[in-house]
Amino acid sequence: DAKTTQPPSMDCAEGRAANLPCNHSTISGNEYVYWYRQIHSQGPQYIIHGLKNNETNEMASLIITEDRKSSTLILPHATLRDTAVYYCIVRVTSHNNAGNMLTFGGGTRLMVKP
Amino acid sequence: NAGVTQTPKFRVLKTGQSMTLLCAQDMNHEYMYWYRQDPGMGLRLIHYSVGEGTTAKGEVPDGYNVSRLKKQNFLLGLESAAPSQTSVYFCASSYSKLLNSPLHFGNGTRLTVT
Repeated sequence: DAKTTQPPSMDCAEGRAANLPCNHSTISGNEYVYWYRQIHSQGPQYIIHGLKNNETNEMASLIITEDRKSSTLILPHATLRDTAVYYCIVRVTSHNNAGNMLTFGGGTRLMVKP
Repeated sequence: NAGVTQTPKFRVLKTGQSMTLLCAQDMNHEYMYWYRQDPGMGLRLIHYSVGEGTTAKGEVPDGYNVSRLKKQNFLLGLESAAPSQTSVYFCASSYSKLLNSPLHFGNGTRLTVT
Protein backbone atom coordinates (compact mmCIF):
# COMPACT_ATOMS: atom_id res chain seq x y z
CA ASP A 1 0.00 0.00 0.00
CA ALA A 2 1.27 3.43 -0.88
CA LYS A 3 1.90 5.72 2.08
CA THR A 4 1.29 9.44 2.10
CA THR A 5 3.19 12.25 3.78
CA GLN A 6 1.57 15.58 4.62
CA PRO A 7 2.70 18.57 6.67
CA PRO A 8 1.02 18.47 10.08
CA SER A 9 -0.31 22.02 9.90
CA MET A 10 -0.68 25.04 7.61
CA ASP A 11 -2.13 28.52 7.83
CA CYS A 12 -3.93 30.42 5.10
CA ALA A 13 -5.39 33.91 4.93
CA GLU A 14 -9.10 34.15 4.28
CA GLY A 15 -9.84 34.74 0.59
CA ARG A 16 -6.47 33.46 -0.54
CA ALA A 17 -5.78 30.12 -2.18
CA ALA A 18 -4.84 27.26 0.12
CA ASN A 19 -2.37 24.81 -1.40
CA LEU A 20 -2.05 21.56 0.52
CA PRO A 21 0.78 19.23 -0.57
CA CYS A 22 0.96 15.47 -0.32
CA ASN A 23 3.77 13.06 -1.14
CA HIS A 24 2.96 9.52 -2.25
CA SER A 25 6.20 8.36 -3.83
CA THR A 26 5.34 4.64 -3.68
CA ILE A 27 2.00 4.95 -5.44
CA SER A 28 1.28 2.27 -8.01
CA GLY A 29 -0.25 2.71 -11.42
CA ASN A 30 -3.85 1.88 -10.57
CA GLU A 31 -4.13 3.69 -7.26
CA TYR A 32 -6.23 6.82 -7.00
CA VAL A 33 -5.36 9.83 -4.87
CA TYR A 34 -8.28 10.87 -2.66
CA TRP A 35 -8.75 13.93 -0.50
CA TYR A 36 -11.10 14.12 2.44
CA ARG A 37 -11.46 16.72 5.15
CA GLN A 38 -12.81 16.59 8.66
CA ILE A 39 -14.27 19.63 10.31
CA HIS A 40 -14.30 19.51 14.08
CA SER A 41 -16.90 17.10 15.50
CA GLN A 42 -18.08 15.97 12.07
CA GLY A 43 -17.49 12.93 9.89
CA PRO A 44 -14.90 12.98 7.10
CA GLN A 45 -16.17 14.71 3.97
CA TYR A 46 -15.16 13.65 0.48
CA ILE A 47 -13.54 16.47 -1.53
CA ILE A 48 -12.03 15.15 -4.74
CA HIS A 49 -10.05 12.30 -6.26
CA GLY A 50 -7.89 11.66 -9.30
CA LEU A 51 -5.72 9.11 -11.04
CA LYS A 52 -3.41 10.87 -13.50
CA ASN A 53 -5.04 14.02 -14.77
CA ASN A 54 -5.73 17.18 -12.86
CA GLU A 55 -9.28 17.38 -11.55
CA THR A 56 -11.58 20.20 -10.54
CA ASN A 57 -14.98 20.29 -8.90
CA GLU A 58 -17.07 22.82 -7.04
CA MET A 59 -14.99 22.44 -3.90
CA ALA A 60 -11.38 22.22 -5.03
CA SER A 61 -8.78 21.39 -7.64
CA LEU A 62 -6.36 18.50 -7.54
CA ILE A 63 -3.01 18.75 -9.25
CA ILE A 64 -1.10 15.48 -9.67
CA THR A 65 2.50 15.54 -10.85
CA GLU A 66 3.37 13.73 -14.04
CA ASP A 67 5.28 11.01 -12.16
CA ARG A 68 2.32 10.75 -9.73
CA LYS A 69 4.63 10.87 -6.74
CA SER A 70 3.00 13.93 -5.28
CA SER A 71 -0.15 16.00 -5.50
CA THR A 72 -1.56 19.32 -4.33
CA LEU A 73 -5.08 20.12 -3.22
CA ILE A 74 -6.06 23.69 -4.01
CA LEU A 75 -8.90 25.55 -2.31
CA PRO A 76 -9.09 28.60 -4.57
CA HIS A 77 -10.63 31.09 -2.13
CA ALA A 78 -10.35 29.77 1.40
CA THR A 79 -13.01 30.76 3.93
CA LEU A 80 -13.10 30.40 7.70
CA ARG A 81 -15.37 27.38 7.22
CA ASP A 82 -12.56 25.59 5.40
CA THR A 83 -10.64 25.27 8.68
CA ALA A 84 -10.34 21.50 9.07
CA VAL A 85 -7.99 18.53 8.96
CA TYR A 86 -7.31 17.50 5.36
CA TYR A 87 -6.43 13.91 4.58
CA CYS A 88 -4.61 12.77 1.47
CA ILE A 89 -5.24 9.07 0.89
CA VAL A 90 -4.10 6.62 -1.70
CA ARG A 91 -6.96 4.31 -2.42
CA VAL A 92 -6.07 0.66 -2.16
CA THR A 93 -7.78 -2.59 -2.81
CA SER A 94 -7.41 -5.33 -0.27
CA HIS A 95 -6.91 -9.02 -0.81
CA ASN A 96 -10.23 -9.83 0.81
CA ASN A 97 -12.53 -7.93 -1.48
CA ALA A 98 -12.88 -4.73 0.54
CA GLY A 99 -12.04 -2.55 -2.39
CA ASN A 100 -12.94 0.63 -0.62
CA MET A 101 -10.67 0.35 2.37
CA LEU A 102 -9.12 3.66 3.22
CA THR A 103 -6.10 4.22 5.42
CA PHE A 104 -6.24 7.61 7.10
CA GLY A 105 -2.98 9.12 8.30
CA GLY A 106 -2.49 12.20 10.41
CA GLY A 107 -3.53 14.72 7.77
CA THR A 108 -2.83 18.46 7.59
CA ARG A 109 -4.57 20.79 10.00
CA LEU A 110 -5.47 23.86 7.93
CA MET A 111 -6.20 27.03 9.83
CA VAL A 112 -7.85 29.77 7.79
CA LYS A 113 -7.32 33.13 9.45
CA PRO A 114 -9.22 36.40 8.96
CA ASN B 1 -31.77 12.64 0.99
CA ALA B 2 -30.16 12.21 4.42
CA GLY B 3 -27.05 10.29 3.29
CA VAL B 4 -25.52 8.33 6.17
CA THR B 5 -27.24 8.64 9.56
CA GLN B 6 -25.81 7.34 12.82
CA THR B 7 -27.67 6.84 16.08
CA PRO B 8 -27.15 7.61 18.86
CA LYS B 9 -24.89 10.67 18.67
CA PHE B 10 -23.59 10.26 22.22
CA ARG B 11 -23.56 7.44 24.74
CA VAL B 12 -21.96 6.71 28.10
CA LEU B 13 -21.61 3.08 29.16
CA LYS B 14 -20.28 1.35 32.21
CA THR B 15 -17.69 -1.38 31.82
CA GLY B 16 -19.38 -4.64 30.92
CA GLN B 17 -22.55 -3.12 29.50
CA SER B 18 -23.63 -3.80 25.96
CA MET B 19 -25.01 -1.58 23.23
CA THR B 20 -25.68 -1.39 19.50
CA LEU B 21 -24.78 1.49 17.21
CA LEU B 22 -27.02 1.91 14.20
CA CYS B 23 -25.98 3.16 10.79
CA ALA B 24 -28.52 3.81 8.05
CA GLN B 25 -27.92 4.97 4.47
CA ASP B 26 -30.50 5.97 1.89
CA MET B 27 -28.22 5.95 -1.17
CA ASN B 28 -28.70 2.27 -2.07
CA HIS B 29 -25.00 1.64 -1.47
CA GLU B 30 -23.69 -1.91 -1.45
CA TYR B 31 -20.65 -1.35 0.75
CA MET B 32 -20.74 -0.21 4.37
CA TYR B 33 -17.98 0.29 6.94
CA TRP B 34 -17.42 0.97 10.62
CA TYR B 35 -14.38 3.02 11.66
CA ARG B 36 -13.20 4.26 15.01
CA GLN B 37 -11.21 7.44 15.54
CA ASP B 38 -8.89 8.03 18.46
CA PRO B 39 -6.60 11.01 19.08
CA GLY B 40 -3.38 10.68 17.09
CA MET B 41 -4.50 7.40 15.47
CA GLY B 42 -6.44 8.52 12.43
CA LEU B 43 -9.41 6.34 11.43
CA ARG B 44 -9.13 2.58 11.81
CA LEU B 45 -11.44 0.09 10.12
CA ILE B 46 -13.34 -2.19 12.52
CA HIS B 47 -15.65 -4.22 10.26
CA TYR B 48 -17.14 -3.85 6.83
CA SER B 49 -19.83 -5.34 4.61
CA VAL B 50 -19.80 -5.87 0.86
CA GLY B 51 -23.54 -6.45 0.64
CA GLU B 52 -26.69 -7.45 2.47
CA GLY B 53 -26.10 -10.49 4.67
CA THR B 54 -22.29 -10.24 4.53
CA THR B 55 -19.74 -8.97 7.03
CA ALA B 56 -15.96 -9.12 7.35
CA LYS B 57 -13.24 -8.09 9.78
CA GLY B 58 -11.20 -4.97 9.35
CA GLU B 59 -8.07 -3.79 11.08
CA VAL B 60 -9.33 -3.70 14.70
CA PRO B 61 -12.33 -6.10 15.00
CA ASP B 62 -11.79 -7.50 18.52
CA GLY B 63 -14.58 -6.71 20.97
CA TYR B 64 -17.08 -5.80 18.24
CA ASN B 65 -19.69 -7.63 16.20
CA VAL B 66 -21.69 -6.44 13.21
CA SER B 67 -24.76 -7.39 11.25
CA ARG B 68 -26.17 -6.36 7.87
CA LEU B 69 -29.65 -7.84 7.73
CA LYS B 70 -30.94 -5.09 5.45
CA LYS B 71 -29.03 -3.38 2.70
CA GLN B 72 -29.58 0.08 4.14
CA ASN B 73 -28.55 -0.73 7.73
CA PHE B 74 -25.26 -1.74 9.31
CA LEU B 75 -25.21 -2.40 13.05
CA LEU B 76 -22.15 -2.36 15.30
CA GLY B 77 -22.45 -4.19 18.61
CA LEU B 78 -20.38 -4.09 21.76
CA GLU B 79 -21.21 -7.13 23.87
CA SER B 80 -19.16 -6.18 26.93
CA ALA B 81 -17.87 -2.64 26.76
CA ALA B 82 -14.35 -1.83 27.95
CA PRO B 83 -12.72 1.57 28.62
CA SER B 84 -10.42 0.93 25.62
CA GLN B 85 -13.52 1.20 23.43
CA THR B 86 -14.00 4.84 24.35
CA SER B 87 -13.81 6.47 20.95
CA VAL B 88 -15.69 8.22 18.18
CA TYR B 89 -17.28 5.74 15.79
CA PHE B 90 -17.93 6.57 12.16
CA CYS B 91 -20.00 4.66 9.67
CA ALA B 92 -19.42 5.00 5.94
CA SER B 93 -20.90 3.65 2.74
CA SER B 94 -19.97 3.49 -0.93
CA TYR B 95 -21.64 2.50 -4.16
CA SER B 96 -19.10 -0.08 -5.17
CA LYS B 97 -15.69 -1.46 -4.36
CA LEU B 98 -14.18 0.13 -7.42
CA LEU B 99 -11.29 2.48 -6.82
CA ASN B 100 -13.36 5.26 -8.34
CA SER B 101 -16.14 5.16 -5.73
CA PRO B 102 -15.93 7.70 -2.86
CA LEU B 103 -16.95 6.88 0.69
CA HIS B 104 -19.68 8.86 2.38
CA PHE B 105 -19.45 9.21 6.16
CA GLY B 106 -21.93 9.83 8.93
CA ASN B 107 -21.31 12.37 11.67
CA GLY B 108 -20.23 9.88 14.27
CA THR B 109 -21.21 8.40 17.62
CA ARG B 110 -19.21 9.53 20.64
CA LEU B 111 -18.94 6.66 23.09
CA THR B 112 -17.47 6.86 26.58
CA VAL B 113 -16.95 3.72 28.63
CA THR B 114 -16.32 4.31 32.33
